[in-house]
Amino acid sequence: QQQVKQSPQSLIVQKGGIPIINCAYENTAFDYFPWYQQFPGKGPALLIAIRPDVSEKKEGRFTISFNKSAKQFSLHIMDSQPGDSATYFCAASSGSNYKLTFGKGTLLTVNP
Amino acid sequence: DAMVIQNPRYQVTQFGKPVTLSCSQTLNHNVMYWYQQKSSQAPKLLFHYYDKDFNNEADTPDNFQSRRPNTSFCFLDIRSPGLGDAAMYLCATSSPGQAADTQYFGPGTRLTVL
Repeated sequence: QQQVKQSPQSLIVQKGGIPIINCAYENTAFDYFPWYQQFPGKGPALLIAIRPDVSEKKEGRFTISFNKSAKQFSLHIMDSQPGDSATYFCAASSGSNYKLTFGKGTLLTVNP
Repeated sequence: DAMVIQNPRYQVTQFGKPVTLSCSQTLNHNVMYWYQQKSSQAPKLLFHYYDKDFNNEADTPDNFQSRRPNTSFCFLDIRSPGLGDAAMYLCATSSPGQAADTQYFGPGTRLTVL
């Protein structure tokens, strides 16, 4: 019940494309859903996060879509650039258990 | 800038030789976490401190220990590193209960075991 399932495992798009990464969860107590971006040899950096009281959140070229009834959330990257090539992790936590449960990650490659 | 700092960035040790990794934070966060991350995997939580309270994950080997002498610093001690302990070790901090329950990660320490 603590799992967060992330797909796809890897994704290749052309510059300007819109990669979409999906995550699904089972634990209905989760109330915070961050996405982290990690470049090789670096620590994960918070990209964008959402709470279940909204269905969508945009920050620059990054958008989270959230479907509470389906227990799914996804990351969309608009006008993707080669510099967006990184591993993306979705995660979830609940107020009563602030530890993050991570998805397994998606390796995104944006070709020039 | 407020941040999470890890030292050293790269650490090479010999099989069985104890090693200590350090983490410091200027965010004044209550919680400090240690994660182990192996290649192409998600970070795996080893343990965390909520203020002075230590919380060990059930599957963290006894070989891994931690100390938090004050709010700003936290140490990861690996008593007898094995080849399987070679990984990136990440420190993170958070302040649960605030508007953003975000964990902020340091740059990591890459541990090599020879």
